[in-house]
Amino acid sequence: AAGVIQSPRHLIKEKRETATLKCYPIPRHDTVYWYQQGPGQDPQFLISFYEKMQSDKGSIPDRFSAQQFSDYHSELNMSSLELGDSALYFCASSDQETQYFGPGTRLLVL
Amino acid sequence: SQQGEEDPQALSIQEGENATMNCSYKTSINNLQWYRQNSGRGLVHLILIRSNEREKHSGRLRVTLDTSKKSSSLLITASRAADTASYFCATGPTSGTYKYIFGTGTRLKVLA
Repeated sequence: AAGVIQSPRHLIKEKRETATLKCYPIPRHDTVYWYQQGPGQDPQFLISFYEKMQSDKGSIPDRFSAQQFSDYHSELNMSSLELGDSALYFCASSDQETQYFGPGTRLLVL
Repeated sequence: SQQGEEDPQALSIQEGENATMNCSYKTSINNLQWYRQNSGRGLVHLILIRSNEREKHSGRLRVTLDTSKKSSSLLITASRAADTASYFCATGPTSGTYKYIFGTGTRLKVLA
């Protein structure tokens, strides 16, 4: 069965650079979520989209933005990267009940 | 702030023993889900229990939900070394929201 795809899987950036993370949800899932998980921490909800519209916002910094496109894939744009942005970033999609997570993108900011 | 609080934060048991993890939450929910995460990997969905259900089984997993106490427990029976992972509960979105809130997780170590 198709799963959530995330790219890239690993990303190394310098401080103040920008990064774009991509997420391809499971076909026919209409909701996409983004989470940030720091080392040893629980996943923190960042933002979600339902039918290409932002549906909920969590602890997403103003330096980050996200959108969902007509093909339902989503991108998380991160600007002015800081050392503290180093984390695992997960995307999940759902069929309105169960979330299915992608493998994550590991971002390292140097 | 996190809605879910899990205890214990860490649990170490011998293979074959049962492991019980608890999760408490603060607001009303539509459902509660348990996830497993191996170190540095993605979260794997284990089981979903709806707010009108009290108990659910899936293989060696047993989940209970007590909405009056706003708590849930995950029991893994006959644990195996491969069960070593972090386990998170997440409360499912209530009407009008699309947000899942994760608890702090229980790190389970099963010793062979």
